[in-house]
Amino acid sequence: RKEVEQDPGPFNVPEGATVAFNCTYSNSASQSFFWYRQDCRKEPKLLMSVYSSGNEDGRFTAQLNRASQYISLLIRDSKLSDSATYLCVVNSVNNNDMRFGAGTRLTVKP
Amino acid sequence: DAGVTQSPTHLIKTRGQQVTLRCSPKSGHDTVSWYQQALGQGPQFIFQYYEEEERQRGNFPDRFSGHQFPNYSSELNVNALWLGDSALYLCASSPFASGRANEQFFGPGTRLTVL
Repeated sequence: RKEVEQDPGPFNVPEGATVAFNCTYSNSASQSFFWYRQDCRKEPKLLMSVYSSGNEDGRFTAQLNRASQYISLLIRDSKLSDSATYLCVVNSVNNNDMRFGAGTRLTVKP
Repeated sequence: DAGVTQSPTHLIKTRGQQVTLRCSPKSGHDTVSWYQQALGQGPQFIFQYYEEEERQRGNFPDRFSGHQFPNYSSELNVNALWLGDSALYLCASSPFASGRANEQFFGPGTRLTVL
C-alpha cells in the first residue's frame, strides 16, 4: 500500500463546477498535511496547508480527518486556470520527509 | 527576490555515466531537499541537507549523493546512471531555522534523460 494515495483522475469539469479531491495516508503518526498544485512541466507550488479544524482560502477549502486518515480539497466555482495536477502531501513524524501522492489531474473546460 | 534556481534545465546522459545537478535556495532559506519525479508520479524524496549535512534520506541507493555548501546551495550527484534514473529532479528549499520546514518552495527542476 502506498503511503499517500490519490484518485489519479482525470477530473473533467465545466467552468463554475464544484469539484472535490480526496487523499488517504497510511502513517497515523503523520503531523503535517498540504495540497500542492503542479502545472504541466512545471514545479509543484504550495496551494495550502491543511489544519485539523479545516481551512478555507477563497474558493478552496481543505479538510483533515485524522480518524479516517484522509484529506480533502474542495474547489468551488472552478476556473479554467484551475486546470492542473493537485498533489496531496503528508509529512512524516520526523518533520523532514515529505511524502507526495501521485496527484489528481483536473481539467476545467469552457 | 530570486526563488529557487536549478541548473541545468535539461540534460542527456548515457548509461553508466555520472551527473551533477545544482540548486540555489530561495533567499533566506537554509535547508535544501531533493526529489525525483518520474512521469505521471508525485515527487519522491531523495534527501535533505541542513548545515552542510545530510539530515534525512529517502529510499534511494548510495549512487545518489549530495553536498551542501556554506552559502546553502546544494548539489545532487548520481553515479552509474541507468535508464530508470530518467526523471525530473526537483530541488526545494525551506527556512528550517524558522520552524517552517514544511513549507517548501520548489525550483523549476532539471529534466534528466538517460539513453
